[in-house]
Amino acid sequence: AQTVTQSQPEMSVQEAETVTLSCTYDTSESNYYLFWYKQPPSRQMILVIRQEAYKQQNATENRFSVNFQKAAKSFSLKISDSQLGDTAMYFCAFILGGSQGNLIFGKGTKLSVKP
Amino acid sequence: EAGVAQSPRYKIIEKRQSVAFWCNPISGHATLYWYQQILGQGPKLLIQFQNNGVVDDSQLPKDRFSAERLKGVDSTLKIQPAKLEDSAVYLCASSPGQLLNTEAFFGQGTRLTVV
Repeated sequence: AQTVTQSQPEMSVQEAETVTLSCTYDTSESNYYLFWYKQPPSRQMILVIRQEAYKQQNATENRFSVNFQKAAKSFSLKISDSQLGDTAMYFCAFILGGSQGNLIFGKGTKLSVKP
Repeated sequence: EAGVAQSPRYKIIEKRQSVAFWCNPISGHATLYWYQQILGQGPKLLIQFQNNGVVDDSQLPKDRFSAERLKGVDSTLKIQPAKLEDSAVYLCASSPGQLLNTEAFFGQGTRLTVV
């Protein structure tokens, strides 16, 4: 069975600084996808970034980037130039490739960006 | 493009009562998911539809929960009778195909409080 672990229940960062959120996962499969989702107080789950396991290059989306370490089964999210609007819950998620995938979420990290 | 619509946004019921939630996915999306998110936890998949067929309902408490997706479009999730531990946010998501390696779009959720 696949599992996703986020070991940081809460984190805070000063505006304009950089913060890294950790995520580890466990699977015996080689074909899978990883995601970071953001959930602000409005509850809307928003995709931040996606990484395909077969790609060695780390995904980047503007101020958001990942450090994907496949051998270590680690998938951390780096937020650069943090903004007040980045304050939210962040969930790491995993899905197997192929059909009938089940998107599995970690417990989340509450990020607070302070002015 | 209209997003995933859910209603109601909030619902308070007494234990042993019944409740139903409605979800309208993004037009043309074949896959629809219902997740339960208990406070402080990541979302847990309850049921996954592909068009109007069930792909995965292994974590759905079938003695009290039921879901349907008539005509492969809108979906309804029902709880009967509700228990205190059913208090949670119920999230609906949709994606274009059977694979979630493309982006899954989430609704704003329904917050259920059972008293």
